[in-house]
Amino acid sequence: AQTVTQSQPEMSVQEAETVTLSCTYDTSESDYYLFWYKQPPSRQMILVIRQEAYKQQNATENRFSVNFQKAAKSFSLKISDSQLGDAAMYFCAYRSTLQGAQKLVFGQGTRLTINP
Amino acid sequence: NAGVMQNPRHLVRRRGQEARLRCSPMKGHSHVYWYRQLPEEGLKFMVYLQKENIIDESGMPKERFSAEFPKEGPSILRIQQVVRGDSAAYFCASSRQGAAARGTQYFGPGTRLTVL
Repeated sequence: AQTVTQSQPEMSVQEAETVTLSCTYDTSESDYYLFWYKQPPSRQMILVIRQEAYKQQNATENRFSVNFQKAAKSFSLKISDSQLGDAAMYFCAYRSTLQGAQKLVFGQGTRLTINP
Repeated sequence: NAGVMQNPRHLVRRRGQEARLRCSPMKGHSHVYWYRQLPEEGLKFMVYLQKENIIDESGMPKERFSAEFPKEGPSILRIQQVVRGDSAAYFCASSRQGAAARGTQYFGPGTRLTVL
């Protein structure tokens, strides 16, 4: 079974600076999807960024980018120019491409605090 | 285009009562997933359904919990004879069918169940 590990329970960063959240995963599959979701105090789960394992190019979405290292099974999230609205829990998630195995497997989460 | 709808947003039940949680997927989505989030934890997969079919219920407790996604109407997660340990946030997510879906699940706002 796949597992996802986020080793940083909490992180903090000064507003306007850059922060990197870590995520590692374990799988025997060669093709899969990886995601970062954000959960603000409202508890709504918001998709931040998605990466397909067969793509070597790292995904980017505005101030958010990932460092996907397939061999190391690492998928970190970089937030540039941090804003107060980025404060939230961040969850890394894995999804298989196998038919019928489409559940998301989540890490434990990292609580990100932005200091003004 | 309305997102994933869940109701009620908050549900209070006494031990032994039944809880019914409803989820309407995004328009055009035929896949529904239920996840549970205990306090200070990540989301845990419960069940994956397509219209009128349960595809994967590997995360569903064997007793008291059931789920359905009828041909017409919302998906229902039903918890019979609730206990205090069932208190959690229950999230529904939906996705489109086929390769074009690219694995992305979109989440509803969740239902927070409190068992007294």
